[in-house]
Amino acid sequence: KNQVEQSPQSLIILEGKNCTLQCNYTVSPFSNLRWYKQDTGRGPVSLTIMTFSENTKSNGRYTATLDADTKQSSLHITASQLSDSASYICVVTHYGNNRLAFGKGNQVVVIP
Amino acid sequence: DAGVIQSPRHEVTEMGQEVTLRCKPISGHDYLFWYRQTMMRGLELLIYFNNNVPIDDSGMPEDRFSAKMPNASFSTLKIQPSEPRDSAVYFCASSLDWDSPQETQYFGPGTRLLVL
Repeated sequence: KNQVEQSPQSLIILEGKNCTLQCNYTVSPFSNLRWYKQDTGRGPVSLTIMTFSENTKSNGRYTATLDADTKQSSLHITASQLSDSASYICVVTHYGNNRLAFGKGNQVVVIP
Repeated sequence: DAGVIQSPRHEVTEMGQEVTLRCKPISGHDYLFWYRQTMMRGLELLIYFNNNVPIDDSGMPEDRFSAKMPNASFSTLKIQPSEPRDSAVYFCASSLDWDSPQETQYFGPGTRLLVL
């Protein structure tokens, strides 16, 4: 079973609307949790990094939250733009050995 | 800085041939990572180096895969012999201080490999 599960697998939203992506993980103990944005045909780009003691982190219109007790994270996109169309990948780092567990991504399509 | 540089950007080869992927990390970065991405399995870490030394190669799928980092500015990932199931996008990434929990990685554009 994958240690990082993301949902929904894909979604389509109208430009200007908000959306929330979910990441549930079983990695324990964990060091940090990252959200990456990957445009089609390009490498992932880091959006946010949160350690276990942080609850929220923002990067422009992107806001990530973390609940270490329930092992859940979310990425909220505010006032979506066409350029937000991408895959969003959740990555959790195992504390101690620094091994990474990857989600398979949330595919977001923003339509005008 | 030009960012992480990978070559070639695309590679088409026949089963059984040797494939060599190349990566130049961002200058000054001590960590270098090799990833593989497929639709089925998503992103997977294959191996990473710290100061040119391989630290964790547990993600390398089998002996057909090997990676080297002869100096701080160059790394290769070699597949010999290649198989159709190796078809994927291979990313190289670098990081200044991966041990720091707030440190990020910078990815290259990837090499799209197709093994026929």
